[in-house]
Amino acid sequence: AQSVTQLDSHVSVSEGTPVLLRCNYSSSYSPSLFWYVQHPNKGLQLLLKYTSAATLVKGINGFEAEFKKSETSFHLTKPSAHMSDAAEYFCVVTFYNQGGKLIFGQGTELSVKP
Amino acid sequence: SQTIHQWPATLVQPVGSPLSLECTVEGTSNPNLYWYRQAAGRGLQLLFYSVGIGQISSEVPQNLSASRPQDRQFILSSKKLLLSDSGFYLCAWSIPPGGRNQPQHFGDGTRLSIL
Repeated sequence: AQSVTQLDSHVSVSEGTPVLLRCNYSSSYSPSLFWYVQHPNKGLQLLLKYTSAATLVKGINGFEAEFKKSETSFHLTKPSAHMSDAAEYFCVVTFYNQGGKLIFGQGTELSVKP
Repeated sequence: SQTIHQWPATLVQPVGSPLSLECTVEGTSNPNLYWYRQAAGRGLQLLFYSVGIGQISSEVPQNLSASRPQDRQFILSSKKLLLSDSGFYLCAWSIPPGGRNQPQHFGDGTRLSIL
């Protein structure tokens, strides 16, 4: 079965320190992978996407993610957290045979302390 | 550039009343359209998706229905709301799958409270 797992429901970091949000997927097909961010009472904003080109993907707001097929992972990182990064983050996967439908992780809430 | 609009932003309705939420997309043609519900606890549940005018697929049995009367208009409706219909409703669009799968782009959502 195809699925995506976000390993942490909540991550807390101090401003200026690195951010790591972990995501693993399960599938026998080649995936397309996305990270979205959601601020309170807002829709989801696309941070970055992987669609079988370069395995290291750079996104908006200084975020990047690396696709590691051997580990079936797509972890999201940022070198230095800002207060404005505090939000909910979703790892999302889709496959060519899904007709465009997305499979969402359960989300990771990122808190940033001053 | 493409934009997506949802309205209203918030809505408070009594149990048993009807519902109509509207979503429109600008700047693209023949998009795939989606309705999601996000209940407390953050997970997103796909309710409906549409690949063209009048073509609606329902993902889960429920009290809601969807319609696509125009290419870039997607409407979520109910004849009689239940308490369990409360939640955050999100509309999204994507370019139809051609080669690799495309991401979806979300509206700002509607917060629906049922009293």
